[in-house]
Amino acid sequence: GQQLNQSPQSMFIQEGEDVSMNCTSSSIFNTWLWYKQDPGEGPVLLIALYKAGELTSNGRLTAQFGITRKDSFLNISASIPSDVGIYFCAGQPGEYGNKLVFGAGTILRVKS
Amino acid sequence: DGGITQSPKYLFRKEGQNVTLSCEQNLNHDAMYWYRQDPGQGLRLIYYSQIVNDFQKGDIAEGYSVSREKKESFPLTVTSAQKNPTAFYLCASSIQGFAGTQYFGPGTRLTVL
Repeated sequence: GQQLNQSPQSMFIQEGEDVSMNCTSSSIFNTWLWYKQDPGEGPVLLIALYKAGELTSNGRLTAQFGITRKDSFLNISASIPSDVGIYFCAGQPGEYGNKLVFGAGTILRVKS
Repeated sequence: DGGITQSPKYLFRKEGQNVTLSCEQNLNHDAMYWYRQDPGQGLRLIYYSQIVNDFQKGDIAEGYSVSREKKESFPLTVTSAQKNPTAFYLCASSIQGFAGTQYFGPGTRLTVL
């Protein structure tokens, strides 16, 4: 079935640093979604992307829908402690109405 | 406030017992979904329903059952046939079928003793 490769698997952040993560696929996607999940909670939608090349911001977060429709990235600028958590990408494969596919997540931790 | 509620937050059951997890939404969404989350893994789709009185199996439906008698409600039953039921269960909904962005509830952690 469809798979999304999300990287990195985990990373440590220091307050004030910029953070970048991405998702790639061998197939074309119609939609890219980015979620954040805190421990023991449900994922919260951060950004939704519907068009190839689209660049969308939500506060300090910026995400882009790759031109090839096979990838997407999420950037967090000037990270703060509450940014820690798990970030998931999700995509809807090329055919309309296909099920969402989820990446395995990127764990953001604070550097001590 | 509109949203998705799941109850209970934590559930403990003895092995061999069936258990039903509740999911309610007041977003007027047509489609609802159940996912299972295990540590270090992405979400896996159990069942989904795009309209009342209709539902389809997802990728890991064995040992689970659902019903969709009302637009707002999509309960999931974890049966004794599910070999490894301990997991975090997430319910989601979207305005219409998979074309719509999915919004998640807070989750239910099921532990089978």
